Amino acid sequence: EAQVTQNPRYLITVTGKKLTVTCSQNMNHEYMSWYRQDPGLGLRQIYYSMNVEVTDKGDVPEGYKVSRKEKRNFPLILESPSPNQTSLYFCASSLRGRDTGELFFGEGSRLTVL
Amino acid sequence: GIQVEQSPPDLILQEGANSTLRCNFSDSVNNLQWFHQNPWGQLINLFYIPSGTKQNGRLSATTVATERYSLLYISSSQTTDSGVYFCAVGVTWVGGTSYGKLTFGQGTILTVHP
Repeated sequence: EAQVTQNPRYLITVTGKKLTVTCSQNMNHEYMSWYRQDPGLGLRQIYYSMNVEVTDKGDVPEGYKVSRKEKRNFPLILESPSPNQTSLYFCASSLRGRDTGELFFGEGSRLTVL
Repeated sequence: GIQVEQSPPDLILQEGANSTLRCNFSDSVNNLQWFHQNPWGQLINLFYIPSGTKQNGRLSATTVATERYSLLYISSSQTTDSGVYFCAVGVTWVGGTSYGKLTFGQGTILTVHP
């Protein structure tokens, strides 16, 4: 089954404790991206990757890191989480190209930073 | 960056009614997608529609790129149509080069009563 898988789905952590949210897709997509969703603000792009070893900042990259060492994986790293990073996080992937940009989302990871 | 405005912000319908959701954007785009977020938080791609008209069952969408808007039509609404509808736009393909920024609107919250 074609899917984007995120882990963990739910996490409660404390300020400053490094954490990683994993994202994996099995559709051989070149493009992957991370979003955060907050009430009243919709979805905001954190980072995206056009292919292996190619990443770029979205609209809200502060406090986050990413890496793309393999095509299927795109982990989101919070080196020193703070309470303002409490949010619902989504990973997404798509093919690249003129007519093939349909975005597929993972099920979301709800993160609480105390 | 591109500004995206969705209207109406909230919509309440009786089952069987029709509705039109609108997405306005501030600049030229060549990527536009509509998503449905169900009450469990899952984001499902409805349409990839940078221009023209598409239909899928009771849903259809039209994008008039030259006038910078897109419309999502829902006919004979059902309670399962409830949730939040997002549009996302971007310039992701220029002269053979791919770009990765997509901007989401703040969504339309649709509630369908039985």
